[in-house]
Amino acid sequence: KQEVTQIPAALSVPEGENLVLNCSFTDSAIYNLQWFRQDPGKGLTSLLLIQSSQREQTSGRLNASLDKSSGRSTLYIAASQPGDSATYLCALHTGGFKTIFGAGTRLFVKA
Amino acid sequence: KAGVTQTPRYLIKTRGQQVTLSCSPISGHRSVSWYQQTPGQGLQFLFEYFSETQRNKGNFPGRFSGRQFSNSRSEMNVSTLELGDSALYLCASSFGNNYGYTFGSGTRLTVV
Repeated sequence: KQEVTQIPAALSVPEGENLVLNCSFTDSAIYNLQWFRQDPGKGLTSLLLIQSSQREQTSGRLNASLDKSSGRSTLYIAASQPGDSATYLCALHTGGFKTIFGAGTRLFVKA
Repeated sequence: KAGVTQTPRYLIKTRGQQVTLSCSPISGHRSVSWYQQTPGQGLQFLFEYFSETQRNKGNFPGRFSGRQFSNSRSEMNVSTLELGDSALYLCASSFGNNYGYTFGSGTRLTVV
């Protein structure tokens, strides 16, 4: 059974700091992995989608990596800003038409 | 390009009532998935539809049901509402397994 863990559960950093959010999973048989951000009470906004055959994806200040052999993905945020404050979730799209989400990392960037 | 549209945005219902939520996917997306999000349980998978067929179902009681129409719009229904059904209900659409999800803004259901 696929399990997804996100560490840390919460993180508080000063503005301008580079940071890494972690997502680990137990079964490497995935189609792809997707990172989302969620603002309080809102829907999920897609940040990056990494296909199973890819190692990383980049968008602006965000870089996501995928290492299936170790069951790990990281989301790197460069030069963090207060507007980056949100909950970040990773989601694994697996066979069986089902997607499994991690519990998320709540990020707070202090001005 | 229009995103995923969920209606209504907010609902207040009384215990024992039933409710229907609607989701219009991005044009061309035939897969629609539904999730329940609560502070204590996080995102819980409800069901997934593709071309009017339910392909997978999460671990929820039979009071939760859904359907998808020929235009890919989907509805979910919750009957005999309980206080614990209060949650944010999120809908996501996808073009297929390799394309990831796009989420709607959600419907906030409060059961009193």
